[in-house]
Amino acid sequence: EDKVVQSPLSLVVHEGDTVTLNCSYEVTNFRSLLWYKQEKKAPTFLFMLTSSGIEKKSGRLSSILDKKELFSILNITATQTGDSAIYLCAVEVDSGGSNYKLTFGKGTLLTVNP
Amino acid sequence: AAGVIQSPRHLIKEKRETATLKCYPIPRHDTVYWYQQGPGQDPQFLISFYEKMQSDKGSIPDRFSAQQFSDYHSELNMSSLELGDSALYFCASSLLRVSGANVLTFGAGSRLTVL
Repeated sequence: EDKVVQSPLSLVVHEGDTVTLNCSYEVTNFRSLLWYKQEKKAPTFLFMLTSSGIEKKSGRLSSILDKKELFSILNITATQTGDSAIYLCAVEVDSGGSNYKLTFGKGTLLTVNP
Repeated sequence: AAGVIQSPRHLIKEKRETATLKCYPIPRHDTVYWYQQGPGQDPQFLISFYEKMQSDKGSIPDRFSAQQFSDYHSELNMSSLELGDSALYFCASSLLRVSGANVLTFGAGSRLTVL
């Protein structure tokens, strides 16, 4: 069974802190790893990672994938209260016959206090 | 830019009733996914469609069925509702890429409450 594990489950920091969110996975037929941010409703896409060791950056957020050790990290520097959200890690797998689906981790709830 | 549209946004039903959720994918997206997210839970994959044909099935109960229509919108039908069906139901769409990866765009979700 495909498994995606995120840690920590919950994190409370002060504005300006830097945080690192972890995602490890055990899946069959890995295709990509995606990070989503979920605030009040739908998850919104942050990063897609398919190759090891290549950092993706978007402003204060960055992410990297290690396909040998089967994990990814999401870094957020100089956190702001608007970063408060659940961060979901999802792994896309090939379930056969050109069928692809995401398996989500349980998410990390990040709370940034002023 | 057009997003994934879901309706209704909120739905309250009683046990044993039937509910139908609708999803309108991003234009030209050929794949639709349904996910169920219970309170405090991660989204669980239910079912997907590619070009109007069911492509994959996850943890969808037998009481649930879904289809994708000729205009690519999809409907999730839930019968004999149970209290445990109360959840946020997300629809997502993507343009299927055989090579590379598929980025799903999610709708805002339909919150179903079963009383």
